[in-house]
Amino acid sequence: EAGVTQFPSHSVIEKGQTVTLRCDPISGHDNLYWYRRVMGKEIKFLLHFVKESKQDESGMPNNRFLAERTGGTYSTLKVQPAELEDSGVYFCASSQDRDREVTGELFFGEGSRLTVL
Amino acid sequence: AQSVTQLDSQVPVFEEAPVELRCNYSSSVSVYLFWYVQYPNQGLQLLLKYLSGSTLVKGINGFEAEFNKSQTSFHLRKPSVHISDTAEYFCAVSRPGRRALTFGSGTRLQVQP
Repeated sequence: EAGVTQFPSHSVIEKGQTVTLRCDPISGHDNLYWYRRVMGKEIKFLLHFVKESKQDESGMPNNRFLAERTGGTYSTLKVQPAELEDSGVYFCASSQDRDREVTGELFFGEGSRLTVL
Repeated sequence: AQSVTQLDSQVPVFEEAPVELRCNYSSSVSVYLFWYVQYPNQGLQLLLKYLSGSTLVKGINGFEAEFNKSQTSFHLRKPSVHISDTAEYFCAVSRPGRRALTFGSGTRLQVQP
């Protein structure tokens, strides 16, 4: 069974440009999460989808970030326009937690490293 | 709001020695606690978790952790480490009703021969 896959693995862009990161969760996982790690600091939550709906987007830093999950399958995270402080590793994770059941086991992708010059 | 503190950014240790990676958390409500591990060039994977019940939890690869509510800690331990345990370890918390995890800044475990 395929795990969580992310594309691209590494992207280098200039300030002001646009980048779109893609995440394919494990098949059948309704929950999809985006996290970001900046400069070796803590991994910070960005948002959580349940199927195609945004359940929690309290971690999105500003309106330059747009996440979508059309059809409840893969998700994209677009940064437009990119700023220097957006550099970091963007992790996607998925889980199959249902309703009130919380196992806490998120399955993570390898991350997409974004470098903004 | 919750927060997680991993005081040690790097922990060097010799092979077959015991190790403890420290994690302290802060929360005004009850929490769930987790340790994740990231091996080089891989995604994070769950090592162990505490949801309720016994405060001593065992995970994969011989690791265990103990939940101490009075000290708000969830330290990770292994009695004898292997070279293959070299990785970055993350402590994380969540609370009932909110699935988002709050992570610590990570601890790099470097096992030397």
